[in-house]
Amino acid sequence: GAVVSQHPSWVICKSGTSVKIECRSLDFQATTMFWYRQFPKQSLMLMATSNEGSKATYEQGVEKDKFLINHASLTLSTLTVTSAHPEDSSFYICSADERGGIPDTQYFGPGTRLTVL
Amino acid sequence: EDKVVQSPLSLVVHEGDTVTLNCSYEVTNFRSLLWYKQEKKAPTFLFMLTSSGIEKKSGRLSSILDKKELFSILNITATQTGDSAIYLCAVERTGGTSYGKLTFGQGTILTVHP
Repeated sequence: GAVVSQHPSWVICKSGTSVKIECRSLDFQATTMFWYRQFPKQSLMLMATSNEGSKATYEQGVEKDKFLINHASLTLSTLTVTSAHPEDSSFYICSADERGGIPDTQYFGPGTRLTVL
Repeated sequence: EDKVVQSPLSLVVHEGDTVTLNCSYEVTNFRSLLWYKQEKKAPTFLFMLTSSGIEKKSGRLSSILDKKELFSILNITATQTGDSAIYLCAVERTGGTSYGKLTFGQGTILTVHP
């Protein structure tokens, strides 16, 4: 099946710093990638849709100036958590949309665990 | 607002048991329903269902969708300790800017004891 990687797999940072998370589709092109957040013992919540070559679209309640998304190529999307605070500590997961693949669906990266001190 | 509800929220069984996990949904512009297995990291894909009444099978796992009653079930037969995980159900929308977006249920935590 299709492979999606994320880097880093975990990160610890101080409050007020910015953290960049990369999501790559390794063996297919993805015009659309999605970013999710998962708090402990909760399900995945969609944060935003990242479209190659255009602005990301954010779900209601997600601050676009805090969670900057860039989808510069068909295989790479980045999420930057700006001025991170302890409440941003979470598991961030991306998925890449392999339209036309078998099955025609999304594949998830392994996730990035962010801890803000 | 789209809604996906899974039941039970948690389940504890012994190896060899058969389990049935439920997922009901309300969504506009339904495209597909997906099942994922999540262990310590990100979810891994199990099934994608788009048509009613057609069972999908992979080894000891099977799933079926009922688009009239708006639910799906995931069956696991002869459970093994390696089946212990969170099982997530998600529905995918179609149309315009909603294309491809997934709404997840709360998940069912399955624990299989030896």
